[in-house]
Amino acid sequence: RKEVEQDPGPFNVPEGATVAFNCTYSNSASQSFFWYRQDCRKEPKLLMSVYSSGNEDGRFTAQLNRASQYISLLIRDSKLSDSATYLCVVNTPWGNDYKLSFGAGTTVTVRA
Amino acid sequence: GAVVSQHPSWVICKSGTSVKIECRSLDFQATTMFWYRQFPKQSLMLMATSNEGSKATYEQGVEKDKFLINHASLTLSTLTVTSAHPEDSSFYICSARAVAKNIQYFGAGTRLSVL
Repeated sequence: RKEVEQDPGPFNVPEGATVAFNCTYSNSASQSFFWYRQDCRKEPKLLMSVYSSGNEDGRFTAQLNRASQYISLLIRDSKLSDSATYLCVVNTPWGNDYKLSFGAGTTVTVRA
Repeated sequence: GAVVSQHPSWVICKSGTSVKIECRSLDFQATTMFWYRQFPKQSLMLMATSNEGSKATYEQGVEKDKFLINHASLTLSTLTVTSAHPEDSSFYICSARAVAKNIQYFGAGTRLSVL
């Protein structure tokens, strides 16, 4: 079983729409959670951390459900510039350390 | 913010040659650096973790003799793909973790094409 699983999409939405997607993770000992954004042929960039109480950053809202091992991301009022692949990333125990485990990404395309 | 510099950004080479990729943390000291590989439409897969001054720890299935990692200082790690073959063509990304911080910063990646 993959450590992090995501719906690959693609989600094709018009400007101004709301789009939401999620991921699940397999290791219940995971401690921290993130959403990264990756543009084509570029490195991943941190979009936001995800906290247990849920958190918002502008038009982006992230939720975490530890019991279900489920993380979600919602984008309101979509902009063309939101078109990207969104990676669900989980910090998982690895020996005496932690490592980031990446989902395969959810592709979002916002059209005019 | 913290910056990780990765060079080169794009390499095209003939089969059988070796390619070295550099990863530098520009404004912080990185005790740990990570090397990832990403094939099209797939997730980043961790290849190895390197700690300054010690041997790298490789993920299962990654050949240490083929992917040589050196982390000689707190600001520089290198990955050498030895005797590259077309199946090694991929997007290689390094990441550095700052001392006493739980944040990883990513390099811009190196796109390797082996002919």
